[in-house]
Amino acid sequence: SQTIHQWPATLVQPVGSPLSLECTVEGTSNPNLYWYRQAAGRGLQLLFYSVGIGQISSEVPQNLSASRPQDRQFILSSKKLLLSDSGFYLCAWSPQGFVKEKLFFGSGTQLSVL
Amino acid sequence: SQQGEEDPQALSIQEGENATMNCSYKTSINNLQWYRQNSGRGLVHLILIRSNEREKHSGRLRVTLDTSKKSSSLLITASRAADTASYFCATAKTGANNLFFGTGTRLTVIP
Repeated sequence: SQTIHQWPATLVQPVGSPLSLECTVEGTSNPNLYWYRQAAGRGLQLLFYSVGIGQISSEVPQNLSASRPQDRQFILSSKKLLLSDSGFYLCAWSPQGFVKEKLFFGSGTQLSVL
Repeated sequence: SQQGEEDPQALSIQEGENATMNCSYKTSINNLQWYRQNSGRGLVHLILIRSNEREKHSGRLRVTLDTSKKSSSLLITASRAADTASYFCATAKTGANNLFFGTGTRLTVIP
């Protein structure tokens, strides 16, 4: 069966520090991968999605970047965090060819930038 | 905004009652999905309804879709305390490569 791992679960970082959040998927090949951000009490905002290795689409301009160095690995990064980067970050995947079908989410990372 | 909007924002009911949540959207869609999120956790897919479908059932869940009104409803029958969570609709816009999520309905089921 397929599983998605996302870590860390919580992270407290000072303003100006770098960020690296990692997400890996097991049990499937060539998945579509997504990074979402959720502000407190709000809906999800799509940040990046990828349909293959090295293929990254950015939905909103921001202080963040994403990379997909391996088929089932998706990394969210920042060189210098801002206060506004605080939020709940969720990684998700969907089967290849089904970018708008059922998404499977990781357990999320609560990021606090102080 | 292309996001769906859920109504109400919060709903509190007694265990055993039915819970109805609504979602409105603005553009033509391929499908509409409902997800559940327990506090501080990831989202879990509940049900998907395609644009050519009007109603779908899954266990205690019933989803309707009215494309002429650009709206959907999620009905949870015989609610349980374990149904307490936030519920989000997500729309797959025609021509787009991702899902757009609403702001959610926070459901509290009182034992």
